[in-house]
Amino acid sequence: DVKVTQSSRYLVKRTGEKVFLECVQDMDHENMFWYRQDPGLGLRLIYFSYDVKMKEKGDIPEGYSVSREKKERFSLILESASTNQTSMYLCASSLWGRGERKETQYFGPGTRLLVL
Amino acid sequence: AQTVTQSQPEMSVQEAETVTLSCTYDTSESDYYLFWYKQPPSRQMILVIRQEAYKQQNATENRFSVNFQKAAKSFSLKISDSQLGDAAMYFCAYRSTFSGSARQLTFGSGTQLTVLP
Repeated sequence: DVKVTQSSRYLVKRTGEKVFLECVQDMDHENMFWYRQDPGLGLRLIYFSYDVKMKEKGDIPEGYSVSREKKERFSLILESASTNQTSMYLCASSLWGRGERKETQYFGPGTRLLVL
Repeated sequence: AQTVTQSQPEMSVQEAETVTLSCTYDTSESDYYLFWYKQPPSRQMILVIRQEAYKQQNATENRFSVNFQKAAKSFSLKISDSQLGDAAMYFCAYRSTFSGSARQLTFGSGTQLTVLP
């Protein structure tokens, strides 16, 4: 089974702090994604990566950056946390290609971040 | 840009009954993927079912099946013999088959399903 893990389930930070959220997948997936989830808005893509050191902006990249130094690990960075970044953050990964199971995104358990 | 609409924010069903969740989407593409994900109170997003647009046959996974109407851009999820464990938020999602930024999933806003004992 695909396993996607996230470094923390719950996190409380202060405004202005630098925040690191880590995601690790164990299935050699090329694609990795960071979403944030807010009530009534569904999931919105922040950034994604299709290879090591490669990244592309999603729909809401402002205030965030990412790092992918190894294939299995994708980090989301909040350079200076703000209260409007309080949210649930979900990481996902997928294989590239057509066919059964490919291109299906598998999700981690989520990190609930509270910025005070 | 693609959009996904789930017009039912909340639904409820009696245990052992059948319920259908609605999803419509807007796209100009002819080949794409559609998904239903389930998010229980644990918050883990779990894939329920997947449909490739070029396949005419509706996907099924045990008690879960879809009614895919490509011309109408409709992708509803039917849950048969509902169980208490089916209670969750259900998200419909769209994914283009093209590369680049279209690799992302576009999600609907979700339908909260309550299963009544």
